[in-house]
Amino acid sequence: EVQLVESGGSLVSPGGSLRISCAASGFTFSDYNMIWVRQAPGKGLEWVSSIIKSGSSTYYTDSVKDRFTVSRDNAKNSLYLQMNRLSVEDTAVYYCARLGRAGGGYFDYWGQGALVTVSS
Amino acid sequence: DIQMTQSPSSLSASVGDTITISCRASQTINIFLNWYQQTPGRAPKLLIFGASSLQSGVPTRFSGSGSGTDFTLTISSLQPEDSATYYCQQSYSAFFTFGPGTKVDIK
Repeated sequence: EVQLVESGGSLVSPGGSLRISCAASGFTFSDYNMIWVRQAPGKGLEWVSSIIKSGSSTYYTDSVKDRFTVSRDNAKNSLYLQMNRLSVEDTAVYYCARLGRAGGGYFDYWGQGALVTVSS
Repeated sequence: DIQMTQSPSSLSASVGDTITISCRASQTINIFLNWYQQTPGRAPKLLIFGASSLQSGVPTRFSGSGSGTDFTLTISSLQPEDSATYYCQQSYSAFFTFGPGTKVDIK
């Protein structure tokens, strides 16, 4: 069974940093591109970042570029999001998800989410 | 960036009804359009990929159509468990974008 489990969400002060993780199981992690999507309280879904299978290429939405860094450790079946210079606008539930293998850019499995709250 | 819009923003329908949700892209995206269902407090769930392909395990009352810029999600014989918010998402660009969502309530 495919499982994605996020961890590391917490309360952070504005300007602070946080790293959240996503542990994958039930599939060959190194065969799949992965993504982060966030959802601010009461709002819609926003794609944040993508990383390809090897980790050699990454993509970011403009609002997090130069502040967030996505990475992966295929030996540990884990995905990470390092978030720096956090602002209140970054408060959201952060989901990791798997990109479907057929290359269609759809997200076929999702984690349960990690809540990141940025507040003083 | 490719902008996605959805209409309506919300709707209310009865069990057994057929409903349609529209999604429009700001530029042509071929059939790189996916649909998700999200219930409160839960992660989104993939329903339709490639505009019209049903994800494994999703009931056949869900269907998708369209290409280019205009797409539709249809739910036939609406069930109580279909009460949720539905999002479209384009995957034509590597910089993925979602529509704002359509909230479906069951009367």
